Amino acid sequence: DGGITQSPKYLFRKEGQNVTLSCEQNLNHDAMYWYRQDPGQGLRLIYYSQIVNDFQKGDIAEGYSVSREKKESFPLTVTSAQKNPTAFYLCASSMGSTKTSGNTIYFGEGSWLTVV
Amino acid sequence: KQEVTQIPAALSVPEGENLVLNCSFTDSAIYNLQWFRQDPGKGLTSLLLIQSSQREQTSGRLNASLDKSSGRSTLYIAASQPGDSATYLCAVPDMLYGNNRLAFGKGNQVVVIP
Repeated sequence: DGGITQSPKYLFRKEGQNVTLSCEQNLNHDAMYWYRQDPGQGLRLIYYSQIVNDFQKGDIAEGYSVSREKKESFPLTVTSAQKNPTAFYLCASSMGSTKTSGNTIYFGEGSWLTVV
Repeated sequence: KQEVTQIPAALSVPEGENLVLNCSFTDSAIYNLQWFRQDPGKGLTSLLLIQSSQREQTSGRLNASLDKSSGRSTLYIAASQPGDSATYLCAVPDMLYGNNRLAFGKGNQVVVIP
């Protein structure tokens, strides 16, 4: 089945640790995204990438890092600099940007990160 | 910067009633609008994508309208069922950054009572 796979589903981080969330897609999409969702809040964009080896900061990039070495993969590292990382993290992808038409965005099932 | 508001934040309806969910956005220079469904603890599932040239889009019991000039969209769900219980989010491009960066509302949390 085509889709977006996020792993792990649940992750616990100790204070001062870096952790990496995996996101893989087999939809042949150019664009990939990472969002954070907190209770009662909308989705907030962390990072996005429109092409391999290129990515841009979103609204809340501080304390996070990403890489885009392969089209299929867009891992997110939550560093120790992120002071409040407990949240639900969503990875998404779309065909890419077109100025005159929209592309449906597809989401993974999400990863829960808890600081212990 | 694009701001998206969804009203009401939460609502409960008896099974069989029609649902009306509202979404408003501040920058009307959009190319499209999307409606999503999210079940608790899950990712988002795309329901409907309306292009700016369209006024509405239909899929089964779902109908979404778009009034771009007034910055509004409405999602109608006919003859609601308990399985429709979920959070519904709308999203539009934040044109400050181009068509690929979306601004999301906080969602309409729906409970359909059997």
